[in-house]
Amino acid sequence: GQSLEQPSEVTAVEGAIVQINCTYQTSGFYGLSWYQQHDGGAPTFLSYNALDGLEETGRFSSFLSRSDSYGYLLLQELQMKDSASYFCAFNTDKLIFGTGTRLQV
Amino acid sequence: GAVVSQHPSWVICKSGTSVKIECRSLDFQATTMFWYRQFPKQSLMLMATSNEGSKATYEQGVEKDKFLINHASLTLSTLTVTSAHPEDSSFYICSASSRAGHEQYFGPGTRLTVT
Repeated sequence: GQSLEQPSEVTAVEGAIVQINCTYQTSGFYGLSWYQQHDGGAPTFLSYNALDGLEETGRFSSFLSRSDSYGYLLLQELQMKDSASYFCAFNTDKLIFGTGTRLQV
Repeated sequence: GAVVSQHPSWVICKSGTSVKIECRSLDFQATTMFWYRQFPKQSLMLMATSNEGSKATYEQGVEKDKFLINHASLTLSTLTVTSAHPEDSSFYICSASSRAGHEQYFGPGTRLTVT
């Protein structure tokens, strides 16, 4: 089957750097996406890795290693507004979301 | 960017009644729409995928006779929760894509409370 595991909670201080890991099992996927969701809101797209390596988008970066079945989201210069839940997700013909990580800044 | 709306944003209904939730793509044609359910402090669980003009494909464990999905046009999909029960209380989120495998744009969600 397909599954994506994330740490349930992460706590960090303003200005810090935090890494949210995503380990997965799958038979195949186009790429790995990351979404942010504030309480009561819809998920918003943050980053996408189709290939192995690092993708940088402003304060957010995402990394994928298909050989290690592993990815992570890196958030730099943390701000209070970054407190939210973060989800990794497989991109196939549909999105399969990971277990989610609640970040408290 | 592409905009997806949902209506209503929240609804309270009595046990045994049916509730319809609408999902609209406002500025693009959505050949594929997805419906998710999210319980508090949990992840988004895909319920079904609907393509315009054809029957929805339901994920394993989702009752298709209870959660009726209609994707009658390229801009509208509806989810009807039939004979709702308190355990159906959840946050229902739709997303839309112009093509399968392409980026999905999420609606703001509908909070359903069944009393």
